[in-house]
Amino acid sequence: KAGVTQTPRYLIKTRGQQVTLSCSPISGHRSVSWYQQTPGQGLQFLFEYFSETQRNKGNFPGRFSGRQFSNSRSEMNVSTLELGDSALYLCASSVGRGQGDTQYFGPGTRLTVL
Amino acid sequence: QKEVEQNSGPLSVPEGAIASLNCTYSDRGSQSFFWYRQYSGKSPELIMSIYSNGDKEDGRFTAQLNKASQYVSLLIRDSQPSDSATYLCAVTLTGTASKLTFGTGTRLQVTL
Repeated sequence: KAGVTQTPRYLIKTRGQQVTLSCSPISGHRSVSWYQQTPGQGLQFLFEYFSETQRNKGNFPGRFSGRQFSNSRSEMNVSTLELGDSALYLCASSVGRGQGDTQYFGPGTRLTVL
Repeated sequence: QKEVEQNSGPLSVPEGAIASLNCTYSDRGSQSFFWYRQYSGKSPELIMSIYSNGDKEDGRFTAQLNKASQYVSLLIRDSQPSDSATYLCAVTLTGTASKLTFGTGTRLQVTL
């Protein structure tokens, strides 16, 4: 089976712009979770989508949003970018049964905000 | 108190030795526990999951869970230089079934 794919792999944006990142889960997986990884804060949960609905949400401002399509592919959007949004954004997919689900990570999108 | 705590390291072990990585968590109701390995510049890859008290072995890796003491550990036998990476402990806290809460990771260095 193909793994989780994320596009683009690298992005450079300037403050105030917006960005959209894409994630395609492993075939048959219905849950997609997004995480932000920074050297200072480590890996932090952004949100999870299951069957096109947000099922879980982390403690990030409303500038961070996401959605999921009927084929389970997911996108996340960050509006009004700030320097602190520079990070590795990771998408993880799982079957979607909830507790105990194993999440498999994609390669990530490295976002740099100038 | 952090929800999931790990010693940041680096933990240095000689090739062939056993590396012992530890993780403690604050939520007594946590039910699912995972170990991920992350090489520099790469994304986390799953090593093991464990859900019940006791040991779970997979090749050179053994995960140990003690819910009463609220810790989970990972043992790596016959450590190899290719095991040098950051090891992340992840826990699903009570009521957050599909959300992983990560520790900050322990950097492991296996020396020749």
